[in-house]
Amino acid sequence: GAVVSQHPSWVICKSGTSVKIECRSLDFQATTMFWYRQFPKQSLMLMATSNEGSKATYEQGVEKDKFLINHASLTLSTLTVTSAHPEDSSFYICSARGLVQGTGANVLTFGAGSRLTVL
Amino acid sequence: GENVEQHPSTLSVQEGDSAVIKCTYSDSASNYFPWYKQELGKGPQLIIDIRSNVGEKKDQRIAVTLNKTAKHFSLHITETQPEDSAVYFCAAVQGAQKLVFGQGTRLTINP
Repeated sequence: GAVVSQHPSWVICKSGTSVKIECRSLDFQATTMFWYRQFPKQSLMLMATSNEGSKATYEQGVEKDKFLINHASLTLSTLTVTSAHPEDSSFYICSARGLVQGTGANVLTFGAGSRLTVL
Repeated sequence: GENVEQHPSTLSVQEGDSAVIKCTYSDSASNYFPWYKQELGKGPQLIIDIRSNVGEKKDQRIAVTLNKTAKHFSLHITETQPEDSAVYFCAAVQGAQKLVFGQGTRLTINP
């Protein structure tokens, strides 16, 4: 249980285009979702925290107009990289926190990540 | 805010030997300390965790120890196997707050 599906797993786009990454909790309701960015051989850096139905809270230095986050339902959050440039190329990872139906266990699970390459 | 330091950044051990990775944290209010394993091109996977009211936890070949006074916690892997090769991250969190990750340790198990 407590599976988070992230899609796409990899994407290549042209500079100036926008890319959307989806993060879904498959068997639990994710009251909170987190978006991370990870450069090669580095740790995960939190970009923003989103609670269902409210605006995301961005970490210092993260452009909210550049990285649009939507958490419209308890099972889906999206990250849209707008007007992507080569420096936005990175590994983006989501995680979701919530209660598993049936067991009531409070879980925090990570997606498999999405590798974005901007040409 | 919380700051987590992790050492070493790289670790190479012979298959069958033990591996130890250490982390320190700064916020004494942190009360949950998970460890994650990340394989190349994949997301982090929780391998073991410990809460502040426990000093040690073990799950087969993996164990975690916590010293609240010194504010440090460690991951111990015994009888290492080639499939243990990965990057390991420690993290600290207070309540329902955000995770703060360490810098990561690249563990290589030599056959």
